[in-house]
Formats: sequence, C-alpha cells, structure tokens
Amino acid sequence: DTGVSQNPRHKITKRGQNVTFRCDPISEHNRLYWYRQTLGQGPEFLTYFQNEAQLEKSRLLSDRFSAERPKGSFSTLEIQRTEQGDSAMYLCASSSGNEAFFGQGTRLTVV
Amino acid sequence: DAKTTQPNSMESNEEEPVHLPCNHSTISGTDYIHWYRQLPSQGPEYVIHGLTSNVNNRMASLAIAEDRKSSTLILHRATLRDAAVYYCILRDFSTSGTYKYIFGTGTRLKVLA
Repeated sequence: DTGVSQNPRHKITKRGQNVTFRCDPISEHNRLYWYRQTLGQGPEFLTYFQNEAQLEKSRLLSDRFSAERPKGSFSTLEIQRTEQGDSAMYLCASSSGNEAFFGQGTRLTVV
Repeated sequence: DAKTTQPNSMESNEEEPVHLPCNHSTISGTDYIHWYRQLPSQGPEYVIHGLTSNVNNRMASLAIAEDRKSSTLILHRATLRDAAVYYCILRDFSTSGTYKYIFGTGTRLKVLA
C-alpha cells in the first residue's frame, strides 16, 4: 500500500481556466475527503464521500467546484473559471476507521 | 461543529517532554478527540485519538480531563523531527455524524537543539 496519491503535485494556471485534480485513496477505504489549505491556516473541509456518494459539501464549495468519486475508488476535484483566490494547497484524505490518511496535496497557483 | 482552542506556538528543548494543551469546552458526548500533526510541506499525519480514557501509542500519549473539556498531547522526548503544527480536532462518531475533521489553526511546535 503506497498511501494516498494526489496528482499533479503542482499546477499553475491562468485565471479563468479550468483545472482538475485527482486523488487515489488507499485501497478499500470507503471514506474520502477533500480539504483546502492556505498559508498559515489549518486545512478547511470541502467535501466528503462515503463510497461513491457525496454526503456533505462545505459552503466553501461554490458552484465553480465539483467533486466526483464515480466508482467509489479514485476521486476528482474540478475547479471551473479559476480565480486568484483559489490558489491554495488541495489535500485529499481517505479513511476506513478512526484514522485518516492524507496525501501530500496539489498546490494550485492561479496567475 | 464543536470547536477547539490551542496556543498558537510552543517551544521545547530536544530530548525533553512536551505538553500540548487543547480546550474543547463545547465537546459533546459523541465526539472523539483526535490529534494530527503537519510537518512542513506534508499533509497532516495521524498522531492519536481518544474518547474518555488516557491513551498511549508509539508516538505520544493523550491525557483527557475527567469532564472531557480539555486534553493534553504529550510527546515524551521531543526530537527535531517533531517540529510541526499540531492540531486538536473533535470528530463526531455517532451514526448521524459525517466523520469529517474540522481543523483549527493548531499549535506550531518548535524544537530547539
């Protein structure tokens, strides 16, 4: 088991472009989370999946953000019409019990 | 979501014990207390969790107050590798809970050689 994998690790995009990030959780972990973290702050909850069902979305997840987990395995987070305020580290985590395992994140820079 | 309060930063000398406090006065009966830490340029990493009784594992110990309104993470011998931001998190384990983790700003631990 190689842990939670996130791709790409870094993404630079122009304002207004769409971006998509991928998260591969630990095999057989039924819970998957997306978080966003800006400098000096703790991770902010964005959304949570139990298998393929998206059970909760934060108010932070505006209509420009969408997340999917189509077969209950990997997940994607898409940001449409990126804004400079979207620049952050996007973290994915998976869990099957009390312990969550986080990936190393995708750092998004919107220029 | 119940909130936690932690000091912004703490310092410790290498090889000495560190006690990281957390206040959670609004904790509910279905909240577990979790601790995660985040090393520079890494995602958060699980440290320990507990409900009512004190807990020990290979990384740390967790001391929980009798009224559960506060807890303390104890690193028995701090090393330079323990320098990180430590987050105290309450997580609802009830069947109606969503199992999400709500992070605060954490305590930045600096370990002095």
